[in-house]
Amino acid sequence: DAGVIQSPRHEVTEMGQEVTLRCKPISGHDYLFWYRQTMMRGLELLIYFNNNVPIDDSGMPEDRFSAKMPNASFSTLKIQPSEPRDSAVYFCASSLRDRVYFYGYTFGSGTRLTVV
Amino acid sequence: RKEVEQDPGPFNVPEGATVAFNCTYSNSASQSFFWYRQDCRKEPKLLMSVYSSGNEDGRFTAQLNRASQYISLLIRDSKLSDSATYLCVVLSSGSARQLTFGSGTQLTVLP
Repeated sequence: DAGVIQSPRHEVTEMGQEVTLRCKPISGHDYLFWYRQTMMRGLELLIYFNNNVPIDDSGMPEDRFSAKMPNASFSTLKIQPSEPRDSAVYFCASSLRDRVYFYGYTFGSGTRLTVV
Repeated sequence: RKEVEQDPGPFNVPEGATVAFNCTYSNSASQSFFWYRQDCRKEPKLLMSVYSSGNEDGRFTAQLNRASQYISLLIRDSKLSDSATYLCVVLSSGSARQLTFGSGTQLTVLP
């Protein structure tokens, strides 16, 4: 299995631009999570999906952030317009409901976003 | 109060030392517990699950005390390659299947 695949690995953009981060979960996993990690705040859960349906988006910082999961193998996190304070590493993770008790989540390698 | 609290460190220990990390959690209904390892500029990876009876994987031993809501990780005979941030992780009860991550404890093993 290729694991959780995220793209791009690095993104540098100017303030005000739209940024789209992509994630392909592990095949067969029914949960998908988007996290943001900064030195100051650690790992923060932004939103998660179950069977492609958003379940909890209370961690999304503001309306500039949106996430979609059009099918079981693809999800996007979009920031529009981007701001310098959005600079962070964004991780996608997936899990299988019945196995999460034993194996937790599997993370992608992350997207390092820099907004200048 | 944070749901999962860890000593952020840093812990700087010589090679071969034994080092212990502690973690407390606030939700008494938490169901599963894990230690994740995160190398610099990499993603978190599952190190080991933590069971009520305690469990061991080579040089690593994890303990859980449900009464005190306390989790520990012991690393024996530490290696340079053990240098990383160790994240205490808790799975809460309910339908969320949601993991809550501690802020991590940074370990540097010195030659």
